[in-house]
Amino acid sequence: EVQLLESGGGLVQPGGSLRLSCTASGFIFSSYAMSWVRQAPGKGLEWVSIISSSGGSIYNADSVKGRFTISRDKSKNTLDLQMNSLRVEDTAIYYCARAIDTSGISIIWGYWGQGTLVTVSS
Amino acid sequence: QSVLTQPPSASGTPGQRVTISCSGSSSNIRDNSVNWYQQFPGVAPKLLIYSNNQRPSGVPDRFSGSKSGTSASLAISGLQSEDEADYYCSAWDDSLNGVIFGGGTKLTVL
Repeated sequence: EVQLLESGGGLVQPGGSLRLSCTASGFIFSSYAMSWVRQAPGKGLEWVSIISSSGGSIYNADSVKGRFTISRDKSKNTLDLQMNSLRVEDTAIYYCARAIDTSGISIIWGYWGQGTLVTVSS
Repeated sequence: QSVLTQPPSASGTPGQRVTISCSGSSSNIRDNSVNWYQQFPGVAPKLLIYSNNQRPSGVPDRFSGSKSGTSASLAISGLQSEDEADYYCSAWDDSLNGVIFGGGTKLTVL
């Protein structure tokens, strides 16, 4: 069974940093592109970042470019999101998501974690 | 403001057919596949339709998707009370070099 478990969320002050992790199990982690998608309270879905299965290709939303860094560790089956220079508008539930297929950088997210809440506030 | 435009709300009575539109442009919907997600309050989204009109295993055939030009649609036939949820379309955008979502449509079953 595919499982994605996010951790690392919490309360942080504006300008601060936080590192999210997503621990994957139940599948061959190194075969799938992985993504982060967020949802601000009461708002819609917003894609954040995606990393290819090999880690060689990365794309980020304009809203987080230069501040957030996605990475993956195949030895630990973990997907990380390093978030720096956090802003109030980064407050959201952050989900990690896995594609349903192994083709390229697939954005067909058939598996989602339960999400971790990040609150940026003074 | 979302790059993909969805109506903020839609409604129907049990048994009816409802459609939700998703309007984009040449850089996203016209040249890339559209995916649809269903989300209930407090839980993660669920993949409903992918590659414009494909249903993942376990999704009832009451749900269908289509695409024409720069627009896509999600249709739900035989509407049921448990279909009351938020629905989002998404696609890759070649200009932004990233994924975009519609603003979401809240479906109410009257």
